Amino acid sequence: AQSVAQPEDQVNVAEGNPLTVKCTYSVSGNPYLFWYVQYPNRGLQFLLKYITGDNLVKGSYGFEAEFNKSQTSFHLKKPSALVSDSALYFCAVRDMVTDKLIFGTGTRLQVFP
Amino acid sequence: GAGVSQTPSNKVTEKGKYVELRCDPISGHTALYWYRQSLGQGPEFLIYFQGTGAADDSGLPNDRFFAVRPEGSVSTLKIQRTERGDSAVYLCASSLGGDWTGELFFGEGSRLTVL
Repeated sequence: AQSVAQPEDQVNVAEGNPLTVKCTYSVSGNPYLFWYVQYPNRGLQFLLKYITGDNLVKGSYGFEAEFNKSQTSFHLKKPSALVSDSALYFCAVRDMVTDKLIFGTGTRLQVFP
Repeated sequence: GAGVSQTPSNKVTEKGKYVELRCDPISGHTALYWYRQSLGQGPEFLIYFQGTGAADDSGLPNDRFFAVRPEGSVSTLKIQRTERGDSAVYLCASSLGGDWTGELFFGEGSRLTVL
């Protein structure tokens, strides 16, 4: 069965510093991986996805993610964090049999001024 | 509308009552999904429609939960004999369907509180 794991419940980072939010996956076959962000009292918003091709994927709001097949990871990164990046981040994998997205448990990112 | 619309945004009900939650997907999106998100958890899959039919309802927790999409557009999630454990945010999402690479577009959710 397809799954993703987010080992950190919360990540704290100072504004202006680089940030990383971790995600590892377990799939059979080629993974279709996604990152979503959830701001308070808002719906989930798509950030970026990896389907194939370049291992470094660029997305919205300056975020990027690196697909690493040997480590089965898809960590979310940003070179310089903003206070407004504070939110809940979810990694997800597309189940190729059922066409549904399977989400991780989420990581709360807190960026301090 | 431009995005996925869910109503009501908040619903408070008493244990044992019947509840309906509505989702209006993005126009032209054939795939529609219902998820449930409990506090501190990631979204949990409930059911997926492709057109009018439920392609996968394996996530519905029991037979008190039912969803329909009679005309292939608006969907209604129905919960009978609500229990306190049903309290959660119910999320709806839509996508073009048939495209494994496409992202899902989510509504803002319906927060259900069962007293």
